[in-house]
Order: sequence, then structure tokens, then C-alpha cells
Amino acid sequence: EVQLVESGGGLAQPGGSLRLSCAASGFTLSDYEMTWVRQAPGKGLEWVSYISISGRTINYADSVKGRFTISRDEAKNSLYLQMNSLRGEDTAIYYCARDGGRDGYHWAFDYWGQGTLVTVSS
Amino acid sequence: QSALTQPPSASGSLGQSVTISCTGTSNDVGGYNFVSWYQQHPGKAPKLMIYEVTKRPSGVPDRFSGSKSGNTASLTVSGLQPEDEADYYCNSAAGSSTWVFGGGTKLTVL
Repeated sequence: EVQLVESGGGLAQPGGSLRLSCAASGFTLSDYEMTWVRQAPGKGLEWVSYISISGRTINYADSVKGRFTISRDEAKNSLYLQMNSLRGEDTAIYYCARDGGRDGYHWAFDYWGQGTLVTVSS
Repeated sequence: QSALTQPPSASGSLGQSVTISCTGTSNDVGGYNFVSWYQQHPGKAPKLMIYEVTKRPSGVPDRFSGSKSGNTASLTVSGLQPEDEADYYCNSAAGSSTWVFGGGTKLTVL
């Protein structure tokens, strides 16, 4: 069974840092393109970042470019999001999601984790 | 990377049909046949309902259907059921491995 489990959320001060993790099971994470999506409290979904299968293509939303870094550890079958220079507007639930292109669900996110809450406040 | 435009709310009676629109530009919805729709119940993760504009993943009822015309995509839910009451988000490829979501539509089943 495919599962994605995020962790690492919590309270951070403005200007601070947090590192989110997303542990995958039931599939090999490096065989799929992966993304991070966030949702501010009571708001809609926002795409945040993408990493290709090869790891050579990485993209970010303009709102986080230069502050967030996506990465992957094949040995741990895990995805990460390093978040630096945090701002109040980064407060959100952060979801990792699998791009289902390999299974025919092109440019769509077929599995999602349960999310981890990041709160940026002094 | 401007959000796609969805109506904030939609409603329909039990058993009836409702259509939710999603308007973008030629740089996203109009430029790619990679529009997907997600259902989100309160406190839950989003669930893929439609991909590549019209296709349904296995397990999604055929009451859910998608379409697109120009820069506007639509999700139609036929034969509304109580469990269809949720938030719905459209999503589109926006080029160079980037995506954009709609603002979301809260569907109420009357």
C-alpha cells in the first residue's frame, strides 16, 4: 500500500528555519516525480516545489524561491523540504504528493500525505 | 503563477447535477490538457478525482466528469450524493514542471 507520512512541522519564528520530511512506503520514491503543496489555514491549495525522477530538474513557486530547498534521500526513501527565512505567510499545512505520471496519471498528484502543520509566529 | 479562478461556492439538491468552473489563461488551462480536480473533505488530504481534463482514476464514481473549452475547465458531479459535499480544487500544468491551483469551491448538497 502506498503511503506518504510527513513530519517536522511545528512552531518557528519569523526568519527561522524548519526541515520537513516525507517518508514513503509501498513504492520507491526515486522512481516518481514528487511535489510539495501547502494550504494556509482556511485557504486553498498552493503548489510549492517539484523534483524530477533524475533530481536534475527542481522548481519552486515564486513565493518560496530562494528560501526553500527540495531534496530526496534514496536510501531513506524520503523527500525533504528545507525552509529558511520563514515568514508569517508560510504558515500552512504542508503536504507531500506523488506525481502519478509513471502510472499514467500525467501531471496529476495521485497520492498525498496527511500533511504537517507549520506555524510561523513570534 | 496566478491562481486559477473558481466560484467560492456551488450547491445542488440530492440526485441533481452541479458544474464547477475553473478559469485560467493560455499559459495554463488553455495551453495544456493537464487539468486535474481534487476533492477535499474537512481535515483530510486532497483526493484525485479527474486527471488530464476528462479521465477518472479507478475507484472514482462515474458521476464525476471533466471537460475543457478554451481557458476554462469544468467539473460536473451528477446524481449528487451526501458524500460529495466537500471542497473541490482544480489544478493545471503551467509549463516547465510547474503547476497552479484554483482557489477552491465549496460544494453543498442540499
